[in-house]
Amino acid sequence: GDSVTQMEGPVTLSEEAFLTINCTYTATGYPSLFWYVQYPGEGLQLLLKATKADDKGSNKGFEATYRKETTSFHLEKGSVQVSDSAVYFCALSNSGGSNYKLTFGKGTLLTVNP
Amino acid sequence: DVKVTQSSRYLVKRTGEKVFLECVQDMDHENMFWYRQDPGLGLRLIYFSYDVKMKEKGDIPEGYSVSREKKERFSLILESASTNQTSMYLCASSSPGTGVNSPLHFGNGTRLTVT
Repeated sequence: GDSVTQMEGPVTLSEEAFLTINCTYTATGYPSLFWYVQYPGEGLQLLLKATKADDKGSNKGFEATYRKETTSFHLEKGSVQVSDSAVYFCALSNSGGSNYKLTFGKGTLLTVNP
Repeated sequence: DVKVTQSSRYLVKRTGEKVFLECVQDMDHENMFWYRQDPGLGLRLIYFSYDVKMKEKGDIPEGYSVSREKKERFSLILESASTNQTSMYLCASSSPGTGVNSPLHFGNGTRLTVT
């Protein structure tokens, strides 16, 4: 079945540091890939997405590139802020058949210190 | 903006009680989902529904049931609550289809404690 593996946290950075959170996937067919973010006390919200190989999703200074050859979708940000402290989830949606659901990774807690 | 509202933020129930978790969305979405979130395990799908009165089991349906009598409302039912059902429960909705045309919209969650 489909699966998503993301780096274990927690990740602790200082403000303005460079961020990478690794995500790899296993899936049949041609999945779409997502990063969701969960701020403290809130539900998840979509951060960015990519639908096909070499697509780059971006939002709020975050980027991730769909790499089919390495089955990866790593999340990056050049300069993190305290307000980026949250849990980040990598996820995939498989377009094959009638699969409506997302498969999530376990989440990575990011803490950014001033 | 899509709003997914979960009726309770915190719930404390006793073992053996029947528990109802309610979720309402205001964007006329066909798809609705219940996940549970546990530390170290991420999000696991319990049930989802792609239409009124339709439901499908997710990855961990045991001990749970659901009800979808109206399009906007999706209820999760714990028939006889147990301590291992202590968790954060997240409801979500999406429009039909898969992939980028249908990102999930989540509620803020219900933290359930079973004592």
